[in-house]
Amino acid sequence: AAGVIQSPRHLIKEKRETATLKCYPIPRHDTVYWYQQGPGQDPQFLISFYEKMQSDKGSIPDRFSAQQFSDYHSELNMSSLELGDSALYFCASSPRQGATEAFFGQGTRLTVV
Amino acid sequence: GESVGLHLPTLSVQEGDNSIINCAYSNSASDYFIWYKQESGKGPQFIIDIRSNMDKRQGQRVTVLLNKTVKHLSLQIAATQPGDSAVYFCAERNGGAAGNKLTFGGGTRVLVKP
Repeated sequence: AAGVIQSPRHLIKEKRETATLKCYPIPRHDTVYWYQQGPGQDPQFLISFYEKMQSDKGSIPDRFSAQQFSDYHSELNMSSLELGDSALYFCASSPRQGATEAFFGQGTRLTVV
Repeated sequence: GESVGLHLPTLSVQEGDNSIINCAYSNSASDYFIWYKQESGKGPQFIIDIRSNMDKRQGQRVTVLLNKTVKHLSLQIAATQPGDSAVYFCAERNGGAAGNKLTFGGGTRVLVKP
């Protein structure tokens, strides 16, 4: 069965650089979520989209922005990267807003050096 | 603020025994409580959920119990298998029909001994 696809799987950036993470949800899923998971931490909600519109916002820094495109894929743009941004970034999708089961991708491991 | 947390960071279980993972929550307004399993190098995987107006729900080898009086959630895994070794997170949903924002609690690592 198709799963949530994230790219790249690994990314190394220097401080103050920018990064773009991509997420391709499961086909026919209209809701996408982004989570950040630091080492040994629980996933922290960043932002979500429903039908290409932002639906909820969590602890996402102003340096980050995200959008969902017409084909439902989503991108998380991160600028002025800081060492503390090093983490696993997960994208999840669900078939409809309000569904309790979110399907997570494998994540993108971002390392800022 | 709203938070979901776990009592035990690591749980060692003999293969074949039952496992119980506990979680405390603070937001009584959450409409669903969910358990996720995260294996090394993978994203969280949905296990089971329970609506806030229920106190027990059973799945395949798993049972979730919700005690709203003491704001306590638990996951019971029957006949624990090596494949159950992972980090388990409880989460609460506070978005209702408007969304699916999940607030995760600190994870518990389950180690299954052969």
